Amino acid sequence: QITLKESGPTLVKPTQTLTLTCTFSGFSLSTNGVAVGWIRQPPGKALEWLALIYWDDEKRYRPSLKNRLTINRDTSKSEVLLTMTNMDPVDTATYYCAHEDANTSGWLHWGPGTLVSVSS
Amino acid sequence: DIVMTQSPLSLPVTPGEPASISCRSSQSLLHSNGYIYLDWYLQKPGQSPQLLIHSASIRASGVPDRFSGSGSGTDFTLKISRMEAEDVGVYYCMQALQIPQTFGQGTKVEIK
Repeated sequence: QITLKESGPTLVKPTQTLTLTCTFSGFSLSTNGVAVGWIRQPPGKALEWLALIYWDDEKRYRPSLKNRLTINRDTSKSEVLLTMTNMDPVDTATYYCAHEDANTSGWLHWGPGTLVSVSS
Repeated sequence: DIVMTQSPLSLPVTPGEPASISCRSSQSLLHSNGYIYLDWYLQKPGQSPQLLIHSASIRASGVPDRFSGSGSGTDFTLKISRMEAEDVGVYYCMQALQIPQTFGQGTKVEIK
């Protein structure tokens, strides 16, 4: 059974750096074709893709946020970390991590999400 | 960025009746490898999104066969053959052909 779960602070101040952890089980990020991504959703709004990391450590970022985002993995811990610098109130959103496997294009498994609020 | 445009944005449906959602992309989602990088997701109230359809027309594992996807190039459709109460939520199309992956605005489907 594949599961993912996001963790991190629920409240950050403007200009601070956010670090979120996606802890997963049931698959290996070392397996050919696997990817883990981050998607966010501001309250009442649509989904927005942020970044992904592939099994071979290749990384892709949303260009408009690329200078603020870093995605990394800790294979030994089955974790993927997302760091976002210079947080702003407009970054208030539920942040999801999701899994794509080699046989299914698309985000097949999702975590429950974590709501991050940005406020002073 | 590839812009994804859904219609309608709100769709009341009578149980047992069919429903259809349109998704249009600002450029073709057909890759040179023959693959169509278009997915459909359903976000039920208070839940994470779930993958319904990938590659424009392939149902994800466990998805009821009342859901079907069609289309190619820039025009895609998600159909529910017979609406059930558990199908309420917001439906999103998403393209994965180019970075950044982009979603449509969402279509809220509710029971009439």
